[in-house]
Amino acid sequence: KNQVEQSPQSLIILEGKNCTLQCNYTVSPFSNLRWYKQDTGRGPVSLTIMTFSENTKSNGRYTATLDADTKQSSLHITASQLSDSASYICVVTYLIRLSGGSYIPTFGRGTSLIVHP
Amino acid sequence: DTGVSQNPRHKITKRGQNVTFRCDPISEHNRLYWYRQTLGQGPEFLTYFQNEAQLEKSRLLSDRFSAERPKGSFSTLEIQRTEQGDSAMYLCASSLDLTAGTEAFFGQGTRLTVV
Repeated sequence: KNQVEQSPQSLIILEGKNCTLQCNYTVSPFSNLRWYKQDTGRGPVSLTIMTFSENTKSNGRYTATLDADTKQSSLHITASQLSDSASYICVVTYLIRLSGGSYIPTFGRGTSLIVHP
Repeated sequence: DTGVSQNPRHKITKRGQNVTFRCDPISEHNRLYWYRQTLGQGPEFLTYFQNEAQLEKSRLLSDRFSAERPKGSFSTLEIQRTEQGDSAMYLCASSLDLTAGTEAFFGQGTRLTVV
């Protein structure tokens, strides 16, 4: 079972509409949560970052929320544009105990967003 | 360009051959990560360096995989005796210090195709 689950897996919306993407995680202890945007064939680019004490963070048309009690986060995109078509990945940084014990960013599978004109 | 640089961008190799990828992180970043991403999936953690020390290795990193960061700057990821299942995008990321509020910056990735 993935430790970072995202929904929906894919989403198609019309240009100008709003949408909300969901992220649930089970890992702990938790350092921070990020949302990344990844265009096809390119590396992920950070949109927002929140620590466990933050509830919301905005970056232009992107607004992320975090409920550390329920371990849920959402990414809301307002007034979508064609260039928003991409994969949106939720990344949780937590203490991973493989050998030394380090904080490692762990990725969800992403939500594929397609914005149609 | 002061971002994370990965080379080559694309690599096609025959099954059984060895391949090596290079990652040049942002110069002052002491932390470096390797991830593997297959089609339709999020990146999966492979290994992590703090300076030249390899502190974490995922169970995904089989004996055929080895990573180095000899001087705490650039890193290489080698895959020996490649298999078709190794076909994926290999992503490198670097950061200063991954505490709260610090971002990991990603390179464009190396896409490996094993035929």
